[in-house]
Amino acid sequence: AQKITQTQPGMFVQEKEAVTLDCTYDTSDPSYGLFWYKQPSSGEMIFLIYQGSYDQQNATEGRYSLNFQKARKSANLVISASQLGDSAMYFCAMREDPNTGNQFYFGTGTSLTVIP
Amino acid sequence: EAGVVQSPRYKIIEKKQPVAFWCNPISGHNTLYWYLQNLGQGPELLIRYENEEAVDDSQLPKDRFSAERLKGVDSTLKIQPAELGDSAVYLCASSLGRGSILSLAYNEQFFGPGTRLTVL
Repeated sequence: AQKITQTQPGMFVQEKEAVTLDCTYDTSDPSYGLFWYKQPSSGEMIFLIYQGSYDQQNATEGRYSLNFQKARKSANLVISASQLGDSAMYFCAMREDPNTGNQFYFGTGTSLTVIP
Repeated sequence: EAGVVQSPRYKIIEKKQPVAFWCNPISGHNTLYWYLQNLGQGPELLIRYENEEAVDDSQLPKDRFSAERLKGVDSTLKIQPAELGDSAVYLCASSLGRGSILSLAYNEQFFGPGTRLTVL
């Protein structure tokens, strides 16, 4: 079974509008962390936002927020007020309890295009 | 503060040739990761080091891939011999690896620019 599922291969959004990128995860560990990364065409992976499994509130970082629904195992990324520079690949990732030796899992990504 | 450094940035070789990639993590970072990223896919972990110890190498094709992290600082990933299917981007990342295991500081990975390998 896939650990991280991103069902939207490509998304389009009008500049200045908000967009939600979907991510669901699969784990039986009670302790885990969820991440979103941005990868522009230049190739570098840029960290955007983090949510710990015990965090009570949804994480926010500037225009990025993570809609964490633990019971549904969902960790959607919301980008508000989209900018042309937001056009990139976006990856959802999960880290299970590192004490059990588990690794980092990445989804297959969503390509976001911001339309002027 | 310098980021994760990788070299070379690009490498073109013929199949059956050996190739090596080098990574220097952020100073003070205990954990080092090597990932393989195929075109249009997310990164897949090859190996994870905690200091100089390889603690997760289950996805590393050990018949042709090897890695080392001497002295727990920089690391080398080698492929010998390379195959056509090895063409991909090889990413190195590092994280602090200390503190609360659920904290961002512990887990946040900083990625290098990657090495794009083309095997002809």
